[in-house]
Amino acid sequence: GNSVTQMEGPVTLSEEAFLTINCTYTATGYPSLFWYVQYPGEGLQLLLKATKADDKGSNKGFEATYRKETTSFHLEKGSVQVSDSAVYFCALSDPNSGNTPLVFGKGTRLSVIA
Amino acid sequence: GAGVSQSPSNKVTEKGKDVELRCDPISGHTALYWYRQSLGQGLEFLIYFQGNSAPDKSGLPSDRFSAERTGGSVSTLTIQRTQQEDSAVYLCASSLAPDRLVAQYFGPGTRLLVL
Repeated sequence: GNSVTQMEGPVTLSEEAFLTINCTYTATGYPSLFWYVQYPGEGLQLLLKATKADDKGSNKGFEATYRKETTSFHLEKGSVQVSDSAVYFCALSDPNSGNTPLVFGKGTRLSVIA
Repeated sequence: GAGVSQSPSNKVTEKGKDVELRCDPISGHTALYWYRQSLGQGLEFLIYFQGNSAPDKSGLPSDRFSAERTGGSVSTLTIQRTQQEDSAVYLCASSLAPDRLVAQYFGPGTRLLVL
């Protein structure tokens, strides 16, 4: 079946540090890949997405590249801020799944300290 | 425009009682999803609606869970005879189409606590 594996948190970084959150997936077809973010006390928000191999999604300084050869979609940011503290979820939508519900990773909690 | 809204934002109930959770999707979005977010389980798909088609109930954990969507818009998730393991945040999402290329937009969730 389809699955998403994320690095376990929590991840604690100092402000301006480089961030990588690893995400790998298993899917039967060619899925679309997403990163969602959940800020404290808020709902899930779409951060970025990529719909085919080698696509790069980007938003708010975050980037992730769809790597079919390694089945990965790692999230990166060059310089994190305290306001980036949140839980990050990697997710996929599989075209072989007729109704396209998202399959999520377990989430990675990021804490950025000043 | 307005996003996905859910009500109530918090619900505390006693074991064995029934609860109803409401979702109002983004206007014009034809696809509606319910997910559950619980500690240790991450986010789990529950049920999916698309237009007038029969819903995909494949993610519902038991027959105590049901959902309906009236008029292709508002949806209600009902949990009968609640159990403590039902305690979780219930999230609703909608999208323009049931297409893997289209992102889903989430509501703030309903936090359910079963005592």
